[in-house]
Amino acid sequence: KAGVTQTPRYLIKTRGQQVTLSCSPISGHRSVSWYQQTPGQGLQFLFEYFSETQRNKGNFPGRFSGRQFSNSRSEMNVSTLELGDSALYLCASSPSRGMTEAFFGQGTRLTVV
Amino acid sequence: GENVEQHPSTLSVQEGDSAVIKCTYSDSASNYFPWYKQELGKRPQLIIDIRSNVGEKKDQRIAVTLNKTAKHFSLHITETQPEDSAVYFCAASISGTYKYIFGTGTRLKVLA
Repeated sequence: KAGVTQTPRYLIKTRGQQVTLSCSPISGHRSVSWYQQTPGQGLQFLFEYFSETQRNKGNFPGRFSGRQFSNSRSEMNVSTLELGDSALYLCASSPSRGMTEAFFGQGTRLTVV
Repeated sequence: GENVEQHPSTLSVQEGDSAVIKCTYSDSASNYFPWYKQELGKRPQLIIDIRSNVGEKKDQRIAVTLNKTAKHFSLHITETQPEDSAVYFCAASISGTYKYIFGTGTRLKVLA
């Protein structure tokens, strides 16, 4: 069974640009959540999607957005990139919205220069 | 707001000794508490979890305890081995969501 796949693995962008990150959940999983990981702030919750609907949103500015498609794949977009957006972006998938394990992908390392 | 405090931030133990990591959560509605291990350059992986209707759970050398009244939960690793060296994250969430509030992590070093 394939794990959670995130693409691309690495990205370098310039301030002011926008970026789109992709997450393919484990087959059959309908819930996808996104996290930002930085050395100083740890893992911070961005959004949670279930059945193409955003169910929860973290405390990030409106420049951070996301969506989920009918096949459960999810994308997140960051517009007007800032240096502080440099981080590892992780997505996690789970079969339902109950108390079950969330499986993480390898992450996309975004560097903003 | 929602917050999870995790201590210590770094922990060094001799191989074979025990390690304890403690977390405190603020949202009394939290009822699911997973622990993740992240090795350098790898994805976080669940090692154990506990639900609020249980006070303790054990899986081989790993155990987690939960004190709902005090809003504390702890990870206990016994007979530590070098391969236990990693960063450990605690998290709290509310049933029916995957909005995990993570602690800031504990870097565990097991010295051979």
